[in-house]
Amino acid sequence: EDQVTQSPEALRLQEGESSSLNCSYTVSGLRGLFWYRQDPGKGPEFLFTLYSAGEEKEKERLKATLTKKESFLHITAPKPEDSATYLCAVQGVDSNYQLIWGAGTKLIIKP
Amino acid sequence: DAGITQSPRHKVTETGTPVTLRCHQTENHRYMYWYRQDPGHGLRLIHYSYGVKDTDKGEVSDGYSVSRSKTEDFLLTLESATSSQTSVYFCAISAASGSYEQYFGPGTRLTVT
Repeated sequence: EDQVTQSPEALRLQEGESSSLNCSYTVSGLRGLFWYRQDPGKGPEFLFTLYSAGEEKEKERLKATLTKKESFLHITAPKPEDSATYLCAVQGVDSNYQLIWGAGTKLIIKP
Repeated sequence: DAGITQSPRHKVTETGTPVTLRCHQTENHRYMYWYRQDPGHGLRLIHYSYGVKDTDKGEVSDGYSVSRSKTEDFLLTLESATSSQTSVYFCAISAASGSYEQYFGPGTRLTVT
């Protein structure tokens, strides 16, 4: 069964303190792994798609990496405005374009 | 931002009444999805559509129906609302080819009393 597990559930950091969020997945054949950011009261906002092990994508202070079993979202020198819930999802080759979602990591950056 | 709107944005209704939520897109994307999001459960797929008049069930489809008569509109109907359907509902769209990511609307907060 396809499954996505995110850890930790919540992460509190000081401004400037770098860290990583984890997304572990099992899928019969990976078509893509997706990272989203969700602010309170809003819909998820697309960040990255990763397709194959070894791939990396960057956007401002965020960098996403992918292995055959997990993905990391690295946050470098975060700012308070990076506070949000970060969601991970995978799409398998047999999924008919459906995504399997993780429960998310709530990130809080204290000034 | 992807052109996705949802209406209404907030709704309070009574148990047993029918409710219809609307999702409208201006991107001409083939795929459209309805999710609900609840604390402790994350995003759960209710129904999705892969073209006009082509729909299929997701993991939590009981008590919900959908219709898609035009590419740009996807309707979610609760035939007889129950308190367990109190939730935030999100519509999403994706293209049929390319990078497959989904883009989300702003959400509808539904309260069933």
